[in-house]
Amino acid sequence: QITLKESGPTLVKPTETLTVTCTFSGFSLTTSGVGVGWIRQPPGKALEWLALIYWDDDKHYSPSLKNRLTITKDTSKKQVVLTMTNMDSVDTGTYYCAHSDRIAEDSFDIWGLGTMVTVSS
Amino acid sequence: SYVLTQPPSVSVAPGETASITCGGSNIGVLNVHWYQQKPGQAPVLVIYSDRDRPSGIPERFSGSNSGNTATLTISRAEAGDEADYYCHVWDRGYDHMVFGGGTKLTVL
Repeated sequence: QITLKESGPTLVKPTETLTVTCTFSGFSLTTSGVGVGWIRQPPGKALEWLALIYWDDDKHYSPSLKNRLTITKDTSKKQVVLTMTNMDSVDTGTYYCAHSDRIAEDSFDIWGLGTMVTVSS
Repeated sequence: SYVLTQPPSVSVAPGETASITCGGSNIGVLNVHWYQQKPGQAPVLVIYSDRDRPSGIPERFSGSNSGNTATLTISRAEAGDEADYYCHVWDRGYDHMVFGGGTKLTVL
């Protein structure tokens, strides 16, 4: 059974750097075709894709946020970490991580429950 | 960057068929995925690769994709289908993923 769980600060100040961690179980990020993505959702708004990392360390970023994002993996800890620099109030929202597999054409088939992040001074 | 356009809302009577569209330039050549999100919950994948259903998703959910429009069809709509629905693609030409703006389905 695949599960993912996001963790990180609930409150960050403007200009600070956000670090959120996805801890997963039920799969390995060393298996060919497997990936973990990050998606966020401002309150009452639509989903927005942020980043994706694959088993082979191939990384992809949202073009509009690319300069602020870094995604990394620690396969031994079964974690994927996303950092976002220079946080602003518009970055307030729920941050989700999700499992992806190229067998399913890179859809996000299993999601974590999400972690809410508020940006405020 | 690639843009996916969804109607903000769709209404359907119980037992009838609802169609939710997702428009994009030549979207027919891309693989489209659909997610259902109920209030306060994480999204759930209901259709992947245009028309495939993950295990556990009822056959009432189906998908199609051609030309500039992908469609999620929900047959015999139930009250429990009320949710926001999002389409999603990987635009490999521009190397990024995109979600549609979401459609709120009301069953009334």
